[in-house]
Amino acid sequence: KAGVTQTPRYLIKTRGQQVTLSCSPISGHRSVSWYQQTPGQGLQFLFEYFSETQRNKGNFPGRFSGRQFSNSRSEMNVSTLELGDSALYLCASSGPGDEQYFGPGTRLTVT
Amino acid sequence: EDQVTQSPEALRLQEGESSSLNCSYTVSGLRGLFWYRQDPGKGPEFLFTLYSAGEEKEKERLKATLTKKESFLHITAPKPEDSATYLCAVPLAPGGYQKVTFGTGTKLQVIP
Repeated sequence: KAGVTQTPRYLIKTRGQQVTLSCSPISGHRSVSWYQQTPGQGLQFLFEYFSETQRNKGNFPGRFSGRQFSNSRSEMNVSTLELGDSALYLCASSGPGDEQYFGPGTRLTVT
Repeated sequence: EDQVTQSPEALRLQEGESSSLNCSYTVSGLRGLFWYRQDPGKGPEFLFTLYSAGEEKEKERLKATLTKKESFLHITAPKPEDSATYLCAVPLAPGGYQKVTFGTGTKLQVIP
């Protein structure tokens, strides 16, 4: 089975811009979660989507949003980028089991 | 507040030198605990899920155990390829098993 894929792998944006990241889960997995990973804060939960509905949400500002499509693919959007948004953004999918399978991440740099 | 703390932050072992990593947590009504391994520049890789105190899981040189307040990841006779950051995570309530809080990890280096 193919793993979780994320595009793009690297991205450089300027403060104030917006960005959209994409995630394709493992085939058959209906839950997709997003995490932000930084050296200072570690891995932090952003939100989870299941069957096109946001099921769980972390403590991030409204500039961070997401959506899920009928084929379970998910996108995450960050508007009005700030320098502090520079991070590795990880997508994870889960299926019948409780564990999550992570993609390789998108490295976002905001200048 | 739900918290997950891992120790030590970093660990350097000689090849073959066994040791244990600790993950302690303060969450109400623990429903499970996950262990992941993360290599530099990659996403975390799932290792184990433990659901109840007394449970143990093994995979090659790794063995995870769970008590009511902490979990241990025992590494027996490690090899250089075991070098990675090891993360534990617990699910937060309310929410399913997908909303998890991670510890800050233990960075393991195994020297040949």
